Amino acid sequence: NAGVTQTPKFQVLKTGQSMTLQCAQDMNHEYMSWYRQDPGMGLRLIHYSVGAGITDQGEVPNGYNVSRSTTEDFPLRLLSAAPSQTSVYFCASSYSRLLLQVVNTEAFFGQGTRLTVV
Amino acid sequence: AQSVTQPDIHITVSEGASLELRCNYSYGATPYLFWYVQSPGQGLQLLLKYFSGDTLVQGIKGFEAEFKRSQSSFNLRKPSVHWSDAAEYFCATGRLGGYNKLIFGAGTRLAVHP
Repeated sequence: NAGVTQTPKFQVLKTGQSMTLQCAQDMNHEYMSWYRQDPGMGLRLIHYSVGAGITDQGEVPNGYNVSRSTTEDFPLRLLSAAPSQTSVYFCASSYSRLLLQVVNTEAFFGQGTRLTVV
Repeated sequence: AQSVTQPDIHITVSEGASLELRCNYSYGATPYLFWYVQSPGQGLQLLLKYFSGDTLVQGIKGFEAEFKRSQSSFNLRKPSVHWSDAAEYFCATGRLGGYNKLIFGAGTRLAVHP
């Protein structure tokens, strides 16, 4: 199992450019999430998905779009990059509580994408 | 609203010394609590988690944490720190049906002196 795979690992964008951060998981997890990590602020939830075709906003969704066409993939799109989006981005996945009938599970994280917007 | 506070931004300990990292949460109902560790340039690895039951939770790498409802705390402890424990530690909380929607503290960076 590869777990949660994020690409690219590093990216530099110019202000106004667009790009997609890729996230894939091979654990058949229903839940997937995107977080951004900024110094002194921990990780903050951007968007999340509870299954294919279903997404919702997290704490800091502005400037980001997501879609979930398959269980495995959950890409994060920046339509017009801004310097404020310079951050480290983490994708996470976890099982559905309803699927397992238990609440005893955890979120698995990718290795992160370090994005710099100049 | 739920929140997590890690009062210590940086902590330095000597190798072999004991460690306690503080975490306070704010949530009306029983929270789900997690400690994650992040080594430089790496993703997050789960150390331990609390959902219910025994308030003293054992995790990987010799870590443990104790849930204290009266103090709204979930402090992480290790009796003897190794140099390889130098990393950033995050406390996080989730809620029933939404444990994937984690709320993180700001993190505590641990340095270990030889």
